[in-house]
Amino acid sequence: DSGVTQTPKHLITATGQRVTLRCSPRSGDLSVYWYQQSLDQGLQFLIQYYNGEERAKGNILERFSAQQFPDLHSELNLSSLELGDSALYFCASSAKSTSGDEQFFGPGTRLTVL
Amino acid sequence: TQLLEQSPQFLSIQEGENLTVYCNSSSVFSSLQWYRQEPGEGPVLLVTVVTGGEVKKLKRLTFQFGDARKDSSLHITAAQPGDTGLYLCAGARGSQGNLIFGKGTKLSVKP
Repeated sequence: DSGVTQTPKHLITATGQRVTLRCSPRSGDLSVYWYQQSLDQGLQFLIQYYNGEERAKGNILERFSAQQFPDLHSELNLSSLELGDSALYFCASSAKSTSGDEQFFGPGTRLTVL
Repeated sequence: TQLLEQSPQFLSIQEGENLTVYCNSSSVFSSLQWYRQEPGEGPVLLVTVVTGGEVKKLKRLTFQFGDARKDSSLHITAAQPGDTGLYLCAGARGSQGNLIFGKGTKLSVKP
């Protein structure tokens, strides 16, 4: 158990819909990262928050957004869903925000868009 | 173009054999992490290397970071069925914390 929790574990929805994925970091960790894992692309970095503020952006679509709340949990919002958004979404947390800082991953949310 | 290339993509061996997995790039990384992932679960951190030429050992696993910090290898001695899984290398560039992942090596160790 990494100490990072994600809900829900599975999510099945239809194209055009909007969903929210939730992540609680390890106790004491200030950074939260979101990654998407698909069969063809592997694990891709989406976005990072550090202590409530956006710190870095990766391959995140405009239809996707995220935020980190004062209690440090984070939510990833996916809207206007398309079939290609079906993937595993992982959240990871680390103590700081610097290179070499170890990241610990949650169990993931499997999103299926029908 | 994948920034971090892992090889081989697939590896199927018998229990007791040794193996090496490679992670290569033309870019310099300030740190590199190795993870193991099982189906339907999140990646589990195995090791972090930050210094060029660094070698770290974790029981039967030996990790090496290249002198130029562009490549890394993972060597497993006397593989066991419990080593089966997807091995991922991931690098951080500059001062950024976010990771760039390779596509992984899928290892199967048969009893």
